[in-house]
Amino acid sequence: GNSVTQMEGPVTLSEEAFLTINCTYTATGYPSLFWYVQYPGEGLQLLLKATKADDKGSNKGFEATYRKETTSFHLEKGSVQVSDSAVYFCALSSGNTPLVFGKGTRLSVIA
Amino acid sequence: SAVISQKPSRDICQRGTSLTIQCQVDSQVTMMFWYRQQPGQSLTLIATANQGSEATYESGFVIDKFPISRPNLTFSTLTVSNMSPEDSSIYLCSVMALSYNEQFFGPGTRLTVL
Repeated sequence: GNSVTQMEGPVTLSEEAFLTINCTYTATGYPSLFWYVQYPGEGLQLLLKATKADDKGSNKGFEATYRKETTSFHLEKGSVQVSDSAVYFCALSSGNTPLVFGKGTRLSVIA
Repeated sequence: SAVISQKPSRDICQRGTSLTIQCQVDSQVTMMFWYRQQPGQSLTLIATANQGSEATYESGFVIDKFPISRPNLTFSTLTVSNMSPEDSSIYLCSVMALSYNEQFFGPGTRLTVL
């Protein structure tokens, strides 16, 4: 079945540091890939997505590229801010199947 | 996009009681789902709510414990029955419309069982 493996947290970075959160997946067919973010005390929000190989999703300075050859969708940001502190979830969906989530990675950015 | 509301937003319940959570969407959607997020954990799919028929449950979840209704294309309920402290979680409603190619999430219902 479909599954997502993402980097264990928590991750603590200083402001303006480079961020990478690794995500790999196992799926049948050609899934769509997503990153969701959950800020403290808030609901789940879609951060970015990619629907086919080599697509790059981007939003709010975050990027992730759909790499079919390595079955990966790593999240990156060049310069993190304190306001980026949140839990980040990698997820996938095949066709009309519901999202399958990774375990989540908690990011703390300190000034 | 789809705007989803859930009621109640939070509740504190006694062991052995049941709670029904409502999910309302502002537009007709193809699919509705219920997820659970236990403290500090990821989201786990409980079931797919099917309009006019029994929900489809994931492994580890059963209808007697989590009965679900979906009378129309915009509304669903999830009941957490005979609650125990292990049921303390955030319960999230989620919807997907084929035209969106995206899943949207409600704000969640934070349940604490004493």
